[in-house]
Amino acid sequence: DTEVTQTPKHLVMGMTNKKSLKCEQHMGHRAMYWYKQKAKKPPELMFVYSYEKLSINESVPSRFSPECPNSSLLNLHLHALQPEDSALYLCASSQAGLGVEKLFFGSGTQLSVL
Amino acid sequence: DAKTTQPPSMDCAEGRAANLPCNHSTISGNEYVYWYRQIHSQGPQYIIHGLKNNETNEMASLIITEDRKSSTLILPHATLRDTAVYYCIVSRSQGAQKLVFGQGTRLTINP
Repeated sequence: DTEVTQTPKHLVMGMTNKKSLKCEQHMGHRAMYWYKQKAKKPPELMFVYSYEKLSINESVPSRFSPECPNSSLLNLHLHALQPEDSALYLCASSQAGLGVEKLFFGSGTQLSVL
Repeated sequence: DAKTTQPPSMDCAEGRAANLPCNHSTISGNEYVYWYRQIHSQGPQYIIHGLKNNETNEMASLIITEDRKSSTLILPHATLRDTAVYYCIVSRSQGAQKLVFGQGTRLTINP
């Protein structure tokens, strides 16, 4: 199984809502990532977890709150988002071992903030 | 991590070889060259990586110049399904990666 599964595939939320994005992998990977991608732009790194600990936060606003409850799961909690936060949110995972790292990406959650 | 420069777009005829260039003149000795592609509405997909030597796998070949300041991704027999944005990324190996995507090259395969 080389799949990273993201749910939901689409999400529409208001600016006062609280929602969560979920990401799951069963490849035994110990690094997990959140990227944000605006239309016609490259993916932008948001967060990196390594061995369930947050190792990189790319100065992301606090209205985005990541959580890694175990090595297979990664969540992104959303609260009080702005319309400009509308984007494709991509999750990825990698081994976090001693060899060359290959990232495996999910298909993303398309988020619309109204 | 070193920055990369790629042409914004390229066209290639179906069945021909597609050669995608990438400049990474500030690459350091412990950094690898990675290539990913993103087909519309999907997440990026790993293609190939290399350090110094040329590499080949079932998807593509990677040619790295001797000074490591540039590289070329070769899709030997391009098909319509190879139409995608191709990203050249330079990053260190080992451990969780801070993989930073540049603007990439939008490759269009024409019938």
